[in-house]
Amino acid sequence: EIVMTQSPATLSVSPGERATLSCRAGQSVSSNLAWYQQKPGQGPRLLIYRASTRATGIPARFSGSGSGTEFTLTISSLQSEDSAVYYCQQYDNWPLTFGGGTKVEVK
Amino acid sequence: QVRLQESGPGLVKPSETLSLTCTVSGGSISSHFWSWFRQPPGQGLEWIGYINYSGSTNYNPSLKSRVTLSVNTSENQLSLKLTSVTAADTAVYYCARDLCFRGIGLDVWGHGTTVTVSS
Repeated sequence: EIVMTQSPATLSVSPGERATLSCRAGQSVSSNLAWYQQKPGQGPRLLIYRASTRATGIPARFSGSGSGTEFTLTISSLQSEDSAVYYCQQYDNWPLTFGGGTKVEVK
Repeated sequence: QVRLQESGPGLVKPSETLSLTCTVSGGSISSHFWSWFRQPPGQGLEWIGYINYSGSTNYNPSLKSRVTLSVNTSENQLSLKLTSVTAADTAVYYCARDLCFRGIGLDVWGHGTTVTVSS
């Protein structure tokens, strides 16, 4: 299975500042990568698919980039409601696998 | 707008079978794939397997010997059965609409149902 590694584990950012989250795949997943946001007590919410395409209704401050093994999720101007855990997930190969998550805290 | 709702017993005894249902509303089960996931307390997400509207399945090798997914198109419901459970199966279980084959990822998720394995 493809191992996904996220960094950092925790990110503390002031409102209005930029947050940059990283995800690395153990082997190339092409652009078959998605990002999800999960808040306590909720299921994950799809933010980005195909590494850089925003899902329906996702604000423009969320953007994704990368291909192959290195990916980035950027939140350009952090809002209080963006406090959550963010997961990357590859769907190039089954079993589907997720990174361990990055917890984003708004200072 | 498609909504998913997981349901099932919150407590299962060790060695017994865990049975969960996912009810799909606001849309049809047909023409889509559906996946199950679980998330142990304080941990990340694990894919359990997928099923499509015609009943074709694919399971995570780590659980393949113990899991069965099924679909009831007339009731618009999905089912998961996991046999011989242990404390390691304690988790929040989610169902999701799986559009990975279309390159879109998992676009609709339920809120999850908590399952505790304990005597």
